[in-house]
Amino acid sequence: DTGVSQDPRHKITKRGQNVTFRCDPISEHNRLYWYRQTLGQGPEFLTYFQNEAQLEKSRLLSDRFSAERPKGSFSTLEIQRTEQGDSAMYLCAGHGEGTGELFFGEGSRLTVL
Amino acid sequence: DQQVKQNSPSLSVQEGRISILNCDYTNSMFDYFLWYKKYPAEGPTFLISISSIKDKNEDGRFTVFLNKSAKHLSLHIVPSQPGDSAVYFCAAKYGIRTGTASKLTFGTGTRLQVTL
Repeated sequence: DTGVSQDPRHKITKRGQNVTFRCDPISEHNRLYWYRQTLGQGPEFLTYFQNEAQLEKSRLLSDRFSAERPKGSFSTLEIQRTEQGDSAMYLCAGHGEGTGELFFGEGSRLTVL
Repeated sequence: DQQVKQNSPSLSVQEGRISILNCDYTNSMFDYFLWYKKYPAEGPTFLISISSIKDKNEDGRFTVFLNKSAKHLSLHIVPSQPGDSAVYFCAAKYGIRTGTASKLTFGTGTRLQVTL
């Protein structure tokens, strides 16, 4: 157990709907990352936060995607007007100071019909 | 541009034998390498890592070897157990020595099946 929890674990939605995922890291994780994984691929970087500041965003993060980390604790990833291509596992990971490893949550699987 | 490559999508090994998973990278700035293990419907679990100043790191049944000149690393599992059956991802990052943050770049994974 990495201590990183994600909710919901699985979301099924219709195309065009908005979805929001939540990630709760442990308090020592001042850095928080979002990744996306599709079938047959490794996790792909989306964005990351240092405390509440969003410091980097991938080109994969279109303007339909927005992530926040208010107060530097939990984080949310919202996808607006979902498309079938958004179907994937969305992974959140925490990272503490002085460590090289990311500790992943169990992921939120999105299915867009 | 796939900076971290795992060219074998799958590997089957008998229980008790050695499993060797390979990974190649192209970005010479990478200075920290990690292996993650992933079961279906779960997030990746950190397994073992190695800094670019080393060429070997061992943790129980798991050993990671790094060949910087060849830009190649491998994960050895000895002896392999049925519970090791999972997808293994190689990942790399840079800036670890300077303390700067860098995202992890992952390979596409190798599915290991350990048979009885």
